[in-house]
Amino acid sequence: NAGVTQTPKFQVLKTGQSMTLQCAQDMNHEYMSWYRQDPGMGLRLIHYSVGAGITDQGEVPNGYNVSRSTTEDFPLRLLSAAPSQTSVYFCASSLDTPGDTQYFGPGTRLTVL
Amino acid sequence: LAKTTQPISMDSYEGQEVNITCSHNNIATNDYITWYQQFPSQGPRFIIQGYKTKVTNEVASLFIPADRKSSTLSLPRVSLSDTAVYYCLQAGKSTFGDGTTLTVKP
Repeated sequence: NAGVTQTPKFQVLKTGQSMTLQCAQDMNHEYMSWYRQDPGMGLRLIHYSVGAGITDQGEVPNGYNVSRSTTEDFPLRLLSAAPSQTSVYFCASSLDTPGDTQYFGPGTRLTVL
Repeated sequence: LAKTTQPISMDSYEGQEVNITCSHNNIATNDYITWYQQFPSQGPRFIIQGYKTKVTNEVASLFIPADRKSSTLSLPRVSLSDTAVYYCLQAGKSTFGDGTTLTVKP
């Protein structure tokens, strides 16, 4: 199993551009989530999904959209990038709930100029 | 979203036992306590999970008192490679918080 994969590893955007961060897992996990981590800070929950077709907002959802058309994939879309979105983004999955062991991807380091 | 409280940082020396305490005053009846470890430039990694009393695995022990309002992660005989950030999660719909930065010195 590849576990949780994320692409790209690094990305530089200009203010106002849009892009999609990809996340996929091959463990047949129902629960998936996106976090952002700013320098020296903990992880903050952006959006999460409890299964295909179901998504919900986390702690810091503004400026981001998600969809969950399949169990495996959970892309995160930045609608109009802002410098405040410069961060490292982690995708995670767990069997059914966030209380189950969460497996994290390697992260995407995003810089918005 | 449920939040936990941990010390911001701790220092230790190789070979010592390290105890990191987490406060979770508003823990729900069904919530487990989960601890994660994060190295620089990596995603967090699961260490241990428990509901009450004591849980032990090959890397750590977790102590949770009867009132479950706090928990203590115990790392026996730490080494330099244990230098990392440690997060306590009140499982359920929870957030990571800022974690505890553990620095192990030679």
